[in-house]
Amino acid sequence: DVVMTQSPLSLPVTLGQPASISCRSSQSLVHSNGDTYVNWYQQRPGQSPRRLIYKVSDRDSGVPDRFSGSGSGTDFTLKISRVEAEDVGIYYCLQGSHWPPWTFGQGTRVELK
Amino acid sequence: EVQVVESGGGLVQPGGSLRLSCTASGFTLSRYWTHWVRQAPGEGLVWVSHINGDGSSATYADSVKGRFTISRDNSKNTVYLQMNSLRAEDTAVYYCAAWGEDDYWGQGILVTVSS
Repeated sequence: DVVMTQSPLSLPVTLGQPASISCRSSQSLVHSNGDTYVNWYQQRPGQSPRRLIYKVSDRDSGVPDRFSGSGSGTDFTLKISRVEAEDVGIYYCLQGSHWPPWTFGQGTRVELK
Repeated sequence: EVQVVESGGGLVQPGGSLRLSCTASGFTLSRYWTHWVRQAPGEGLVWVSHINGDGSSATYADSVKGRFTISRDNSKNTVYLQMNSLRAEDTAVYYCAAWGEDDYWGQGILVTVSS
Protein backbone atom coordinates (compact mmCIF):
# COMPACT_ATOMS: atom_id res chain seq x y z
CA ASP A 1 0.00 0.00 0.00
CA VAL A 2 1.11 3.55 -0.69
CA VAL A 3 1.80 5.51 2.49
CA MET A 4 1.17 9.26 2.36
CA THR A 5 3.13 11.28 4.93
CA GLN A 6 2.11 14.88 5.59
CA SER A 7 4.12 17.56 7.30
CA PRO A 8 3.74 19.47 9.43
CA LEU A 9 0.86 17.89 11.32
CA SER A 10 0.07 21.21 12.97
CA LEU A 11 0.51 24.57 11.28
CA PRO A 12 -0.09 27.82 13.19
CA VAL A 13 -0.58 30.61 10.66
CA THR A 14 -0.93 34.38 10.65
CA LEU A 15 -3.76 35.99 8.72
CA GLY A 16 -2.53 37.29 5.39
CA GLN A 17 0.65 35.23 5.47
CA PRO A 18 1.43 32.24 3.23
CA ALA A 19 1.21 28.62 4.34
CA SER A 20 2.52 25.40 2.88
CA ILE A 21 1.77 21.73 3.53
CA SER A 22 3.91 18.87 2.26
CA CYS A 23 2.78 15.38 1.32
CA ARG A 24 5.26 12.63 0.47
CA SER A 25 4.36 9.23 -0.89
CA SER A 26 6.17 5.94 -0.30
CA GLN A 27 6.39 5.34 -4.05
CA SER A 28 6.01 7.32 -7.24
CA LEU A 29 2.43 8.34 -7.92
CA VAL A 30 2.78 8.49 -11.68
CA HIS A 31 0.01 6.27 -13.04
CA SER A 32 0.61 3.96 -16.00
CA ASN A 33 -1.41 6.42 -18.11
CA GLY A 34 1.06 9.21 -17.33
CA ASP A 35 -1.23 11.16 -15.00
CA THR A 36 -0.61 11.65 -11.28
CA TYR A 37 -3.63 11.30 -9.03
CA VAL A 38 -3.08 13.40 -5.94
CA ASN A 39 -5.95 15.37 -4.44
CA TRP A 40 -6.09 17.82 -1.57
CA TYR A 41 -9.09 18.12 0.74
CA GLN A 42 -10.12 20.71 3.30
CA GLN A 43 -12.22 19.71 6.30
CA ARG A 44 -13.51 22.66 8.27
CA PRO A 45 -14.60 22.04 11.87
CA GLY A 46 -17.85 20.07 11.95
CA GLN A 47 -18.03 19.74 8.17
CA SER A 48 -17.49 17.08 5.53
CA PRO A 49 -14.30 17.11 3.49
CA ARG A 50 -14.26 19.29 0.41
CA ARG A 51 -11.91 18.73 -2.52
CA LEU A 52 -9.71 21.72 -3.34
CA ILE A 53 -7.19 20.30 -5.80
CA TYR A 54 -7.20 17.24 -8.06
CA LYS A 55 -4.51 15.66 -10.23
CA VAL A 56 -1.78 17.53 -8.31
CA SER A 57 -2.57 21.05 -9.46
CA ASP A 58 -6.08 21.40 -10.93
CA ARG A 59 -8.24 23.62 -8.76
CA ASP A 60 -11.88 22.69 -8.25
CA SER A 61 -14.62 25.07 -9.28
CA GLY A 62 -15.32 27.67 -6.63
CA VAL A 63 -12.01 27.19 -4.83
CA PRO A 64 -10.25 30.52 -4.24
CA ASP A 65 -7.14 31.02 -6.33
CA ARG A 66 -5.06 31.53 -3.18
CA PHE A 67 -4.98 27.71 -3.04
CA SER A 68 -2.51 25.98 -5.33
CA GLY A 69 -1.08 22.49 -5.68
CA SER A 70 2.23 21.39 -7.09
CA GLY A 71 4.66 18.51 -7.16
CA SER A 72 5.60 15.35 -8.97
CA GLY A 73 6.73 11.80 -8.36
CA THR A 74 6.67 11.43 -4.59
CA ASP A 75 6.66 15.04 -3.35
CA PHE A 76 3.57 17.23 -3.37
CA THR A 77 2.68 20.57 -1.84
CA LEU A 78 -0.46 22.55 -1.08
CA LYS A 79 0.10 26.27 -0.75
CA ILE A 80 -2.14 29.02 0.53
CA SER A 81 -0.82 32.35 -0.71
CA ARG A 82 -2.52 34.48 1.94
CA VAL A 83 -4.33 32.73 4.77
CA GLU A 84 -7.84 33.87 5.60
CA ALA A 85 -9.84 33.03 8.73
CA GLU A 86 -12.09 30.64 6.78
CA ASP A 87 -9.05 28.49 5.92
CA VAL A 88 -8.87 27.08 9.45
CA GLY A 89 -9.37 23.35 9.41
CA ILE A 90 -7.63 20.08 8.62
CA TYR A 91 -6.09 19.43 5.22
CA TYR A 92 -5.58 15.96 3.75
CA CYS A 93 -3.76 14.70 0.71
CA LEU A 94 -5.10 11.61 -1.07
CA GLN A 95 -3.49 9.35 -3.62
CA GLY A 96 -5.54 7.56 -6.26
CA SER A 97 -2.79 6.35 -8.59
CA HIS A 98 -2.26 2.93 -7.04
CA TRP A 99 -5.47 1.44 -5.68
CA PRO A 100 -6.83 -0.29 -3.78
CA PRO A 101 -6.53 1.12 -1.30
CA TRP A 102 -6.87 4.82 -1.90
CA THR A 103 -4.78 6.36 0.89
CA PHE A 104 -4.98 9.66 2.76
CA GLY A 105 -2.26 11.50 4.59
CA GLN A 106 -2.63 11.88 8.36
CA GLY A 107 -3.98 15.40 8.03
CA THR A 108 -2.50 18.82 8.81
CA ARG A 109 -4.34 21.04 11.27
CA VAL A 110 -4.20 24.69 10.21
CA GLU A 111 -4.98 27.12 13.02
CA LEU A 112 -4.54 30.84 13.59
CA LYS A 113 -1.71 32.07 15.75
CA GLU B 1 -29.52 21.20 -5.78
CA VAL B 2 -26.80 18.58 -5.60
CA GLN B 3 -26.99 16.50 -2.45
CA VAL B 4 -25.64 13.25 -1.04
CA VAL B 5 -27.44 11.88 2.00
CA GLU B 6 -26.34 8.95 4.13
CA SER B 7 -28.74 7.05 6.36
CA GLY B 8 -28.93 3.86 8.39
CA GLY B 9 -26.35 4.55 11.06
CA GLY B 10 -26.77 4.18 14.78
CA LEU B 11 -25.76 2.13 17.81
CA VAL B 12 -25.12 -1.58 17.34
CA GLN B 13 -23.60 -4.26 19.56
CA PRO B 14 -20.31 -5.92 18.67
CA GLY B 15 -20.96 -8.70 16.18
CA GLY B 16 -24.07 -6.99 14.88
CA SER B 17 -24.96 -5.64 11.45
CA LEU B 18 -26.02 -2.37 9.87
CA ARG B 19 -26.80 -1.30 6.32
CA LEU B 20 -25.87 2.22 5.32
CA SER B 21 -27.55 3.90 2.38
CA CYS B 22 -26.23 6.75 0.27
CA THR B 23 -28.76 8.53 -1.92
CA ALA B 24 -27.86 11.24 -4.37
CA SER B 25 -30.06 13.98 -5.75
CA GLY B 26 -29.34 16.60 -8.38
CA PHE B 27 -26.92 14.35 -10.26
CA THR B 28 -26.68 10.80 -11.59
CA LEU B 29 -24.71 8.76 -9.08
CA SER B 30 -24.06 5.95 -11.58
CA ARG B 31 -21.73 8.25 -13.51
CA TYR B 32 -19.33 8.21 -10.56
CA TRP B 33 -17.28 5.68 -8.77
CA THR B 34 -18.75 5.85 -5.28
CA HIS B 35 -16.70 5.41 -2.14
CA TRP B 36 -17.23 5.01 1.56
CA VAL B 37 -14.71 6.82 3.76
CA ARG B 38 -14.77 6.71 7.55
CA GLN B 39 -13.44 8.93 10.29
CA ALA B 40 -13.10 7.63 13.83
CA PRO B 41 -13.66 10.21 16.59
CA GLY B 42 -10.79 12.70 16.55
CA GLU B 43 -8.97 10.80 13.83
CA GLY B 44 -8.23 11.23 10.14
CA LEU B 45 -9.94 10.03 6.98
CA VAL B 46 -9.71 6.36 6.04
CA TRP B 47 -10.92 4.87 2.77
CA VAL B 48 -13.21 1.87 3.25
CA SER B 49 -14.67 0.69 -0.06
CA HIS B 50 -15.50 1.66 -3.62
CA ILE B 51 -17.88 0.53 -6.34
CA ASN B 52 -17.79 1.43 -10.01
CA GLY B 53 -20.64 2.99 -11.94
CA ASP B 54 -22.49 -0.13 -13.05
CA GLY B 55 -21.75 -2.10 -9.90
CA SER B 56 -19.62 -4.72 -11.64
CA SER B 57 -16.48 -4.00 -9.62
CA ALA B 58 -15.86 -3.27 -5.94
CA THR B 59 -12.85 -3.06 -3.68
CA TYR B 60 -12.35 -3.00 0.08
CA ALA B 61 -9.83 -1.98 2.68
CA ASP B 62 -8.19 -4.99 4.31
CA SER B 63 -9.71 -4.00 7.66
CA VAL B 64 -13.27 -4.60 6.37
CA LYS B 65 -12.76 -7.23 3.68
CA GLY B 66 -15.05 -10.21 4.22
CA ARG B 67 -17.27 -8.26 6.62
CA PHE B 68 -18.53 -5.31 4.54
CA THR B 69 -20.26 -5.44 1.16
CA ILE B 70 -20.87 -2.47 -1.12
CA SER B 71 -23.62 -2.49 -3.73
CA ARG B 72 -25.70 -0.08 -5.73
CA ASP B 73 -29.19 0.34 -7.18
CA ASN B 74 -28.88 2.82 -10.00
CA SER B 75 -32.65 2.95 -10.45
CA LYS B 76 -32.76 4.51 -6.98
CA ASN B 77 -29.57 6.58 -7.38
CA THR B 78 -28.36 4.84 -4.24
CA VAL B 79 -25.29 3.00 -2.98
CA TYR B 80 -25.33 0.70 0.03
CA LEU B 81 -22.78 -0.54 2.55
CA GLN B 82 -23.76 -3.74 4.33
CA MET B 83 -21.67 -4.01 7.47
CA ASN B 84 -21.58 -7.37 9.28
CA SER B 85 -19.59 -8.68 12.24
CA LEU B 86 -19.11 -5.15 13.49
CA ARG B 87 -16.31 -4.40 15.91
CA ALA B 88 -15.64 -1.55 18.32
CA GLU B 89 -12.93 -0.28 15.96
CA ASP B 90 -15.56 0.23 13.24
CA THR B 91 -17.00 3.09 15.29
CA ALA B 92 -16.76 6.18 13.09
CA VAL B 93 -18.57 8.72 10.99
CA TYR B 94 -19.07 7.11 7.59
CA TYR B 95 -19.03 9.38 4.56
CA CYS B 96 -20.35 8.48 1.13
CA ALA B 97 -18.40 10.22 -1.62
CA ALA B 98 -18.78 10.33 -5.40
CA TRP B 99 -15.40 10.93 -7.00
CA GLY B 100 -14.83 11.96 -10.57
CA GLU B 101 -14.42 15.19 -12.45
CA ASP B 102 -16.64 16.56 -9.71
CA ASP B 103 -16.42 15.46 -6.11
CA TYR B 104 -19.46 15.10 -3.87
CA TRP B 105 -19.56 14.11 -0.21
CA GLY B 106 -22.44 13.47 2.12
CA GLN B 107 -22.74 14.97 5.59
CA GLY B 108 -21.68 11.69 7.20
CA ILE B 109 -23.50 9.21 9.41
CA LEU B 110 -22.34 8.01 12.81
CA VAL B 111 -21.94 4.30 13.46
CA THR B 112 -21.26 3.34 17.07
CA VAL B 113 -20.35 -0.24 17.92
CA SER B 114 -20.64 -0.77 21.63
CA SER B 115 -22.25 -3.06 24.17
